Amino acid sequence: SQQGEEDPQALSIQEGENATMNCSYKTSINNLQWYRQNSGRGLVHLILIRSNEREKHSGRLRVTLDTSKKSSSLLITASRAADTASYFCALNDYKLSFGAGTTVTVRA
Amino acid sequence: KAGVTQTPRYLIKTRGQQVTLSCSPISGHRSVSWYQQTPGQGLQFLFEYFSETQRNKGNFPGRFSGRQFSNSRSEMNVSTLELGDSALYLCASSSLAGGQDTQYFGPGTRLTVL
Repeated sequence: SQQGEEDPQALSIQEGENATMNCSYKTSINNLQWYRQNSGRGLVHLILIRSNEREKHSGRLRVTLDTSKKSSSLLITASRAADTASYFCALNDYKLSFGAGTTVTVRA
Repeated sequence: KAGVTQTPRYLIKTRGQQVTLSCSPISGHRSVSWYQQTPGQGLQFLFEYFSETQRNKGNFPGRFSGRQFSNSRSEMNVSTLELGDSALYLCASSSLAGGQDTQYFGPGTRLTVL
C-alpha cells in the first residue's frame, strides 16, 4: 500500500495569511481525503475529493487534485489561530493510508 | 447523530497484560477501522471490519486482534502488551468499506504501557 507524502512538514504563518500544503502519491487512487488533528486528539474530516474531481471547496478550505501529477493541495485562506493543527492527507487504497502530516502554526 | 465514541479514553497497563478497547460507530455505519498513532510511526492502519467481517488488516503482529458485533460496535484487543504499544488508538466509522467514503473518527484511547 502507499502513503501520501505531505509537504512541507511544518508551516508557520501569521493570522490572516493563507496556508498551502501539498500531498504527493505514487499510484492511482479512488479518492483522497484531508483531515485535521488538534494536539493528539481525534481526526476531523475536512474534504474528500474523488479521482474524477479537480477542485472542491468547503468554507475557507480549497482542495485541488491533479491525477496526472499524482498530487493534491490544501489551501486554507484567511487563517485563524484555531487553524493551528496537524493536517493529513489520506489515500484510498482499499483502506485509508495516512501521510506523516503537515504541522501548521498560526501566530496571532 | 451522535459521533463515534471510544472507551476508555485513557488506560495505563503494564507489560505482559492485555487490553480491550471499545468503539461505537455512528448509527447506521457498518464499517469500523482501527488505527494506531505514535510519534515515530505516525498513523498506521490496524484493521477494518465491515458487517462483522474483517475486510483488511495492516502489518501488525497477531497480538493485535479485533471483532465487530451485529450492532456494528467493535472491540480491539492487544495481548501481551509491550512498551512499544503505547500509543493513541483511533477508531473510525464509515458508511462504506475500504475508505471509499468519509471516515469519522472517535476521540481515541490513549494507552500507556509501563
